[in-house]
Amino acid sequence: AQSVTQLDSHVSVSEGTPVLLRCNYSSSYSPSLFWYVQHPNKGLQLLLKYTSAATLVKGINGFEAEFKKSETSFHLTKPSAHMSDAAEYFCVVSRSGAGSYQLTFGKGTKLSVIP
Amino acid sequence: GAGVSQTPSNKVTEKGKYVELRCDPISGHTALYWYRQSLGQGPEFLIYFQGTGAADDSGLPNDRFFAVRPEGSVSTLKIQRTERGDSAVYLCASSSGGGGTSTDTQYFGPGTRLTVL
Repeated sequence: AQSVTQLDSHVSVSEGTPVLLRCNYSSSYSPSLFWYVQHPNKGLQLLLKYTSAATLVKGINGFEAEFKKSETSFHLTKPSAHMSDAAEYFCVVSRSGAGSYQLTFGKGTKLSVIP
Repeated sequence: GAGVSQTPSNKVTEKGKYVELRCDPISGHTALYWYRQSLGQGPEFLIYFQGTGAADDSGLPNDRFFAVRPEGSVSTLKIQRTERGDSAVYLCASSSGGGGTSTDTQYFGPGTRLTVL
C-alpha cells in the first residue's frame, strides 16, 4: 500500500520569492513519485516525475523536486514564484512495476501568490 | 493536438436517477482511467481500461458504478440509483503505453462535476 501526506493545505508566497510545497510518502514498494498541478477549470497537468533515476528531478515552469529516501520526502520547490503559479498542487505516489498505473494522490496544497 | 475531453462539464441530477459521464481520450491512447475527486480531497482511482477491457476495476465503490469502453476509445462511466454521496468531480485520464506503467504519463481531462440533489 502507498500514501502521501501533503503537510500544508494552503501556502501563500509573494511574487518573486521561493516556493516550497512539502510532501511525505509511504510505500511498501519502490515508489514512483509525481507532482501534478490543477488550475481552476483545467485538467491536472504533470509537473514532474521521479521513477528511480536521478533523485533531483526538474520539471516544467522552473519547478523541481528532490527524492529523499531517508526522509521519505519529495518536496516541490521553485526559486521565484510567478503569479501564474497560483493553483492547487498534488503530490502523487504509485508503485513501480505491476499495478503502477494506479496513482494515489495527496489532498492537495493550494498555492496563492501575492503581487 | 486535442487533449482529453469530458462531457458534460456539469451534471445536476436527483437522488435515485441514472447518469452517464463520457470521456474522449487522446487519439491513439490505449489506456484510459477514471478517478473521482470529492470536495477537499485528491482524486481517487476508480477503474483502468487497456483497450476495450477493464484491466482493474478495484476502485469502483459499489455495484451501482459501471464503466464501458466498447471500441477501445470513448468510455462511459455509468452510475445507477445515484446518491448524494456520489457528488464529486469525475476525472478521466488517458495514456499511450500498452502496459500502463508509472513511466507512462497520464493526461487528464477537465472533469465532470456531478451534483446529486
